[in-house]
Parts: sequence; C-alpha cells; structure tokens
Amino acid sequence: DGGITQSPKYLFRKEGQNVTLSCEQNLNHDAMYWYRQDPGQGLRLIYYSQIVNDFQKGDIAEGYSVSREKKESFPLTVTSAQKNPTAFYLCASRLGTGDTGELFFGEGSRLTVL
Amino acid sequence: DAKTTQPPSMDCAEGRAANLPCNHSTISGNEYVYWYRQIHSQGPQYIIHGLKNNETNEMASLIITEDRKSSTLILPHATLRDTAVYYCIVSSSNDYKLSFGAGTTVTVRA
Repeated sequence: DGGITQSPKYLFRKEGQNVTLSCEQNLNHDAMYWYRQDPGQGLRLIYYSQIVNDFQKGDIAEGYSVSREKKESFPLTVTSAQKNPTAFYLCASRLGTGDTGELFFGEGSRLTVL
Repeated sequence: DAKTTQPPSMDCAEGRAANLPCNHSTISGNEYVYWYRQIHSQGPQYIIHGLKNNETNEMASLIITEDRKSSTLILPHATLRDTAVYYCIVSSSNDYKLSFGAGTTVTVRA
C-alpha cells in the first residue's frame, strides 16, 4: 500500500544527543515536509523540500537539519542545539508542481528528552 | 505564518450538523482552501478542498463565500468519532511553504 512511514514511533534521548527521525514515502511525491506539534497546539513547519537535493527552512528551523538525497526519503535530525526538542514530529508529502492535491501525513514520531 | 483564522474550539451535539468557520481574507485568486482533521496523537487527515465552488464528498461539505474571504466546513451528521482538531489552510499549486494555524478543537457530545 502507498503511504508515508515514520520511524521510530517513540524515541527517548538524553540531553546533548543528536537524534534522527526517519520519513519514507512510496507515493512518488516530489514535495516533503516536517512539522512539529507541542501539546494542545497546532502544527509548526520545520523544513520542507520541493524536490530531491533541495530543501528550505520553515518557520522553526533552528536546531534542526534535514537532507533530501533520495526522492522517497526526508530524514530530520534534531540536534543538541534545539533547546526544547520534546514534541510530536509529523512528516508529510505532496505530489508537487502543478498539483492541487492534498498533503499526506505519516503517523508521527514522539520524541522525549530525558 | 498561517493565512487563516479559526475559532479555538466549539461543541456540537451528536447527530446534528457541525459548521466550522474559517477566515482567509487575504486569499489570492489561485489559492485553494483545504481542510484537514487530526484525531488525538495521529497524523492529520485530508477532508476536502475547493477553489470557488462549493464542494461535497462523503465526509463533508465545503461552502466558500462569493468573495472567497471565508469558508465553512459542514459535517452533516456529527458523530463522536468526529471529535478532533480541524485545520483550514490555503495554498496554491506553486506554494510549497504550507503553514498550519492552531485549528479548531471540535468536541461532539452525546
């Protein structure tokens, strides 16, 4: 079945450690996104990528890094520079240029910093 | 930043229609209105989208005002499973920076 797979679903990390969240899609979508969600709040855009080997900062990119070496993959690294990394992280994809289609979301990864 | 404004919360009685408003007064001519919903601790799910005309699918109806500055999502017969956060966003096919606001928390009560 086509879709977006995020892993791990739950992740614990000690302060000062970097952690990478995986996002894979088999929808052949060009555009991919990372959002952060804090309890009781909406989604905030971290990074987005329109096409392979290209990505742009969203509204809250500080302390995060991404790569887009393959069309189907858009991993997010939460670095030690991110002051409040505990949150729910959502990956999404969209077909791309000329498409008015919707975003498809993964089921999310919940990161807890101990 | 989000280009839409939604009320933070609303209640609805089970079996009744739920009407969710969204203001998008700065919408451009080529921007669509999209609605998503997020059930607790899951990824958001697409509901419906429209440009000018009203739209209906198996989940909901979307009513867009003639000046396109606001819209209403209608859940015709709300059920307890419709309790969720509903997000309204606007975007064009060339707009890749898709920002969400806080959405409307809808609680359907028995």
